[in-house]
Amino acid sequence: ETGVTQSPTHLIKTRGQQVTLRCSSQSGHNTVSWYQQALGQGPQFIFQYYREEENGRGNFPPRFSGLQFPNYSSELNVNALELDDSALYLCASSLGRGLRNTEAFFGQGTRLTVV
Amino acid sequence: DAKTTQPTSMDCAEGRAANLPCNHSTISGNEYVYWYRQIHSQGPQYIIHGLKNNETNEMASLIITEDRKSSTLILPHATLRDTAVYYCIVRAPLTDSWGKLQFGAGTQVVVTP
Repeated sequence: ETGVTQSPTHLIKTRGQQVTLRCSSQSGHNTVSWYQQALGQGPQFIFQYYREEENGRGNFPPRFSGLQFPNYSSELNVNALELDDSALYLCASSLGRGLRNTEAFFGQGTRLTVV
Repeated sequence: DAKTTQPTSMDCAEGRAANLPCNHSTISGNEYVYWYRQIHSQGPQYIIHGLKNNETNEMASLIITEDRKSSTLILPHATLRDTAVYYCIVRAPLTDSWGKLQFGAGTQVVVTP
């Protein structure tokens, strides 16, 4: 148990639809990162939020967007879903920026299937 | 691209030590070595990290070479529950990119009875 919870655990969407995934970070953690993990591959960094502002983004198109709320929980939104968006979406929380040795704690992920 | 190189897979006998190598020849002076593992269908789990000294915790030991270009994660007494993909990652906690973990393909470790 990492204290990071994601919802829903599984989701099926149709191509072209929009989806919102949610993440509650570990208590006291002010930073949330999102990752996409395709089958058989390592997780790929999407973006990170620190104190409600985006603080770093990976190589993902603008239809991937996010929010972080005052309680540090976060949402990942994906518009105009494509079949290749089918993946495990992981959220990680950490305490951070400027502090040494801050490891990230991951949730169990949301399995998104686009049909 | 990931800044580390790991073997694709390795097998280990239950009860024996598992030694997982990782090459990070381009590591910078401010980058730490982190290890995570991912058991099937679960989120990655933090194991251990270090800068230049060897580290040990309740899960594993981390041995970093003096030139810091490679490291070895040691699971002292492997159990069946240690079967997982193990990721070696270099990360600079105090830089702007500190939050971005660059995962490679990792090493699939299978512990057999």
